Amino acid sequence: DVVMTQSPLSLPVTLGQPASISCRSTQSLVYSDGNTYLNWFQQRPGQSPRRLIYKVSNRDSGVPDRFSGSGSGTDFTLKISRVEAEDVGVYYCMQGTHWPFTFGPGTKVDIK
Amino acid sequence: EVQLVESGGGLVQPGGSLRLSCAASGFTFSSYWMSWVRQAPGKGLEWVANIKQDGSEKYYVDSVKGRFTISRDNAKNSLYLQMNSLRAEDTAVYYCARGPVRGGPTYWGQGTLVTVSS
Repeated sequence: DVVMTQSPLSLPVTLGQPASISCRSTQSLVYSDGNTYLNWFQQRPGQSPRRLIYKVSNRDSGVPDRFSGSGSGTDFTLKISRVEAEDVGVYYCMQGTHWPFTFGPGTKVDIK
Repeated sequence: EVQLVESGGGLVQPGGSLRLSCAASGFTFSSYWMSWVRQAPGKGLEWVANIKQDGSEKYYVDSVKGRFTISRDNAKNSLYLQMNSLRAEDTAVYYCARGPVRGGPTYWGQGTLVTVSS
């Protein structure tokens, strides 16, 4: 199975400051159709996951533009340009290229 | 409005069975891949199974293969997960999720808790 790793696992951030989460996979996530199926999810406390970013860098409708995704191959990054209080939660990367699809362990973002 | 409502969770003894259901509304159910994803208490997310729009393709994570069966009834806009030979490590909140699958589910239910314990 493709193993997804994330760093850091815990990220205390000052309001208004940027945050960055790294995600790495043990295999290339480029699929045979040319797409790279690396997606990011946010899970706020007590809520179901919510997709933020799909195929590396495409932001979902309604997702603030302070969220951005980048990367290629096996190395990916989620950035929050200015953290707001509503961003507190756990962020997961997920690969949809190789079955079984797998999630990273999650990065817990909270406010300092 | 898209809605996914899971039901059927509860407490079951090791070795027992449970059938989860997911009632879908607000979209054309028969047009989407559907999935079950689970989350053990205080832990991360784990994909369990996928099923194609017409039910002709099903995929399972190795840890549930041979024990769990995903199915759907497009006439009833419903997704199911039959879970047999349950183990303590199957204890989790089970989420019903709507495709796309490779791109990551765009809609998730609120989840139903399955507890396997004697």
